[in-house]
Amino acid sequence: DAGVIQSPRHEVTEMGQEVTLRCKPISGHDYLFWYRQTMMRGLELLIYFNNNVPIDDSGMPEDRFSAKMPNASFSTLKIQPSEPRDSAVYFCASSFGREIEAFFGQGTRLTVV
Amino acid sequence: GQQVMQIPQYQHVQEGEDFTTYCNSSTTLSNIQWYKQRPGGHPVFLIQLVKSGEVKKQKRLTFQFGEAKKNSSLHITATQTTDVGTYFCAGPGGSNYKLTFGKGTLLTVNP
Repeated sequence: DAGVIQSPRHEVTEMGQEVTLRCKPISGHDYLFWYRQTMMRGLELLIYFNNNVPIDDSGMPEDRFSAKMPNASFSTLKIQPSEPRDSAVYFCASSFGREIEAFFGQGTRLTVV
Repeated sequence: GQQVMQIPQYQHVQEGEDFTTYCNSSTTLSNIQWYKQRPGGHPVFLIQLVKSGEVKKQKRLTFQFGEAKKNSSLHITATQTTDVGTYFCAGPGGSNYKLTFGKGTLLTVNP
């Protein structure tokens, strides 16, 4: 398996633009997590899905953020409109089971100017 | 909500010295996981501890889970330059299970 695949690896966008981050989890994994990493706040869990259903989105910072998982092999995290403070590395991770090791993707480094 | 705290935030050692990072949770954990993130990389799972007082070893790395299942430690014996990176502990908590990560300990090793 190729592991968790995220795209794009890097994204530079202007403030106010819509940004869509994509994730393909490992085949067969039933949990998918979106994390944001910054120097100040560390790794924050934004939202996670179980069998494509959002379970906890309490970490989503505000209504500008939304996440979907239309099927077991694809998820998106959308920011609209983007702001400079959204600049961070966004990681997608998946796991087989709830309290089992999570496999992280390479991350998307987002810069909003 | 659940908080997971790690100390120290940074640790710089000479190659060959030992290193320890400590993790404390505000709530009792069903298990604790440890991850390593190399500079510019992504977190990679190292190990999971489940039982109270559990100790596990991986070569030069020793992981321990406290008796009360609220704290944990990672000890590296005789560090090498390949040990450089940030070490995170993570614990599930809350009714909805949220894998909460500590802020991590950044280890740098001087050759």
